[in-house]
Amino acid sequence: NAGVTQTPKFQVLKTGQSMTLQCAQDMNHEYMSWYRQDPGMGLRLIHYSVGAGITDQGEVPNGYNVSRSTTEDFPLRLLSAAPSQTSVYFCASSRNRGNTEAFFGQGTRLTVV
Amino acid sequence: GESVGLHLPTLSVQEGDNSIINCAYSNSASDYFIWYKQESGKGPQFIIDIRSNMDKRQGQRVTVLLNKTVKHLSLQIAATQPGDSAVYFCAENIGYSTLTFGKGTMLLVSP
Repeated sequence: NAGVTQTPKFQVLKTGQSMTLQCAQDMNHEYMSWYRQDPGMGLRLIHYSVGAGITDQGEVPNGYNVSRSTTEDFPLRLLSAAPSQTSVYFCASSRNRGNTEAFFGQGTRLTVV
Repeated sequence: GESVGLHLPTLSVQEGDNSIINCAYSNSASDYFIWYKQESGKGPQFIIDIRSNMDKRQGQRVTVLLNKTVKHLSLQIAATQPGDSAVYFCAENIGYSTLTFGKGTMLLVSP
């Protein structure tokens, strides 16, 4: 099994550009989430989904949109990139919302110039 | 690019030593406490969890201790190996909901 797959691995954007970070899992997990990781800040939750068609905001949702049309895919959209969104982004999935074992992708390193 | 490891507390040990990584938490309502390991350039990986009504749980070479009186969680790694070098995060699961992560501790193991 591939687990959680994120694309791209690296991306450079200009301020104001939009893009979509892709995330797919093949474990039939209900729960998926997006985190951003900044130096010394740990992982902060952006958005999450408890199942297809259901999404909700996390700790730092501003500037990001998500949708969950299938169980497998959970893309993260940056609407108008800003330098403050320079970060490493991780997608994760787990069997259900209360499950403590989350499976993470390899991350997308995004730089906004 | 700047490493996620910058500005983190760091624990340096010799190979074969036992390591103890500590974490303080603030929310008494947490249902589970969890430890994750993140190697350089990779996503975090689940190590072990402990339910809030327990005070100790053991895994393979790892032990997690929970002291609810002082709101303290620790991860003990026995016979630390170079492959254990990573950033370790504690996390909380509150109300069977989302995971909230701490800021992390870097473990450096010297041969």
